[in-house]
Amino acid sequence: SQQGEEDPQALSIQEGENATMNCSYKTSINNLQWYRQNSGRGLVHLILIRSNEREKHSGRLRVTLDTSKKSSSLLITASRAADTASYFCALDQGAQKLVFGQGTRLTINP
Amino acid sequence: GAVVSQHPSWVICKSGTSVKIECRSLDFQATTMFWYRQFPKQSLMLMATSNEGSKATYEQGVEKDKFLINHASLTLSTLTVTSAHPEDSSFYICSATPTGFSGNTIYFGEGSWLTVV
Repeated sequence: SQQGEEDPQALSIQEGENATMNCSYKTSINNLQWYRQNSGRGLVHLILIRSNEREKHSGRLRVTLDTSKKSSSLLITASRAADTASYFCALDQGAQKLVFGQGTRLTINP
Repeated sequence: GAVVSQHPSWVICKSGTSVKIECRSLDFQATTMFWYRQFPKQSLMLMATSNEGSKATYEQGVEKDKFLINHASLTLSTLTVTSAHPEDSSFYICSATPTGFSGNTIYFGEGSWLTVV
């Protein structure tokens, strides 16, 4: 399957803790993107990391990419209740056609 | 605000009828748009690539005669679910990228919930 594989499938942590989600893939990529989806809603773009980049930051978000291991991670620091959502990695293999991972359902407990 | 608009957000239709979902880019032209489907608690699966002025390209396993895609203008793509059945109930979401833009920004619509009863 060309789909990204994410783990864990579900993650429940206390507010203030850090949350780490991982994405592994099998094919070559132009870039890898992370999205958030609140229940029943559309996608919110979080971060795009190109294949020649190793790490990117955006506020409380930190994304790493290891192309040799074909894996990426999303770290959310100092989590908040509003971070509760599903998080998806998406592989861009070219032409903006995305292949999504299975997603991680993150629950932040107050 | 949203740069890609989908309509309707929610639709309920009777089994056997057809329903049309629109994906419209508001601030830019898009030669190519993409349609995804998401079943509850599952990931998004690409259904087809919508190409302005030409036929859509469907992913393996997606019936082109059941999911009709029309991309008649540079700002509008429509997905028509024909002869809908309860198993077609799902969340349909489109994406678009500005034509001629060299960046990698992909804009998603808010999605459309289809329930077939």
